[in-house]
Amino acid sequence: IAGITQAPTSQILAAGRRMTLRCTQDMRHNAMYWYRQDLGLGLRLIHYSNTAGTTGKGEVPDGYSVSRANTDDFPLTLASAVPSQTSVYFCASGEQPNTEAFFGQGTRLTVV
Amino acid sequence: KQEVTQIPAALSVPEGENLVLNCSFTDSAIYNLQWFRQDPGKGLTSLLLIQSSQREQTSGRLNASLDKSSGRSTLYIAASQPGDSATYLCAVPYSGGGADGLTFGKGTHLIIQP
Repeated sequence: IAGITQAPTSQILAAGRRMTLRCTQDMRHNAMYWYRQDLGLGLRLIHYSNTAGTTGKGEVPDGYSVSRANTDDFPLTLASAVPSQTSVYFCASGEQPNTEAFFGQGTRLTVV
Repeated sequence: KQEVTQIPAALSVPEGENLVLNCSFTDSAIYNLQWFRQDPGKGLTSLLLIQSSQREQTSGRLNASLDKSSGRSTLYIAASQPGDSATYLCAVPYSGGGADGLTFGKGTHLIIQP
């Protein structure tokens, strides 16, 4: 059982470039989330989706967009990367909103 | 806005000791509280989920308690082992802001000395 798969595991990206972080889950969970983790700031919610076809903004959505075309996939796009988006990004899912959350292994992104 | 605080920020103890990690939250209207473990460079592993109607949950050497009225949870680790070394995070669902997702504490970095 794969659970949640994130790709790539790490990436160095030039500022101004567009980047999509991929997240796929095989648990048929309705709810999916994107967080970023930064030293001293902890984990913060970027965007979420309660079910396929719907998305919502979290605490730090600026500069990021998401889509939820189906149950399994929840990609996160940086339209024009900036150095402040250097972070570790985690995708998570839950059977329903406000149920137990399960996390992927993360994508380490460096914007230079 | 929900705020989650974890004390202590770091803890180093010899193996075999029983430990208590603390988590407090400002808005007591929570659905549940979840404890996670994070190893360096890795993702988060769910340890325990306590529903708002429960007082505690146990899994092996781990026991988590929840006191909603006082806005507190504790994670008790019995007979600690070097393999327990990790960062432990607690999290509660967002409140009041309309977003779904979790608000996290900044974690307790735990080192168990062999």
